[in-house]
Amino acid sequence: LAKTTQPISMDSYEGQEVNITCSHNNIATNDYITWYQQFPSQGPRFIIQGYKTKVTNEVASLFIPADRKSSTLSLPRVSLSDTAVYYCLVGVSRANNLFFGTGTRLTVIP
Amino acid sequence: ETGVTQSPTHLIKTRGQQVTLRCSSQSGHNTVSWYQQALGQGPQFIFQYYREEENGRGNFPPRFSGLQFPNYSSELNVNALELDDSALYLCASSLGSDEQFFGPGTRLTVL
Repeated sequence: LAKTTQPISMDSYEGQEVNITCSHNNIATNDYITWYQQFPSQGPRFIIQGYKTKVTNEVASLFIPADRKSSTLSLPRVSLSDTAVYYCLVGVSRANNLFFGTGTRLTVIP
Repeated sequence: ETGVTQSPTHLIKTRGQQVTLRCSSQSGHNTVSWYQQALGQGPQFIFQYYREEENGRGNFPPRFSGLQFPNYSSELNVNALELDDSALYLCASSLGSDEQFFGPGTRLTVL
């Protein structure tokens, strides 16, 4: 079962680019990598999903090396409203091996 | 398009009681997953339903059970409540292996 490891917390100043790395050494061939954002007392919100190489959308980029044993979520020019917990999820929605990582608490400082 | 909704928002029960939590999936979604999130921790997968059948289960005892209905809404039932069951219970819906959309959660407190 693919388990993930992330830094517990990170601090960043407003306007900076933030990179959060997730390790998933036992990722399976059919697994996707998905990142979620969660604010207190709310459900997680989908940010981005990828399988390999690089994926970019309007809010973030996801970098996945060839061996897929890690991934990096990149948030460009963070603002105070990006202060939240970010989770790395490895699995396939229909499979029974869905695990959230420990989560990284990002604090954006003015 | 209606998002994922959950009811009730908050619930207080006592040890030994039973509870039923409800989730309405987003329109067009056929897969529902349930998670338990204890305070300060990440969500833990309980189980998933795909087209009314259980499609996978995490490390939770049998007193955690569920149902999915023909309209793809779902229930989570917990019997013989324990203090450690106090948590935020999250429901997420998806269409197959696409991204999951989470509801706001139900905060359960067991006294």
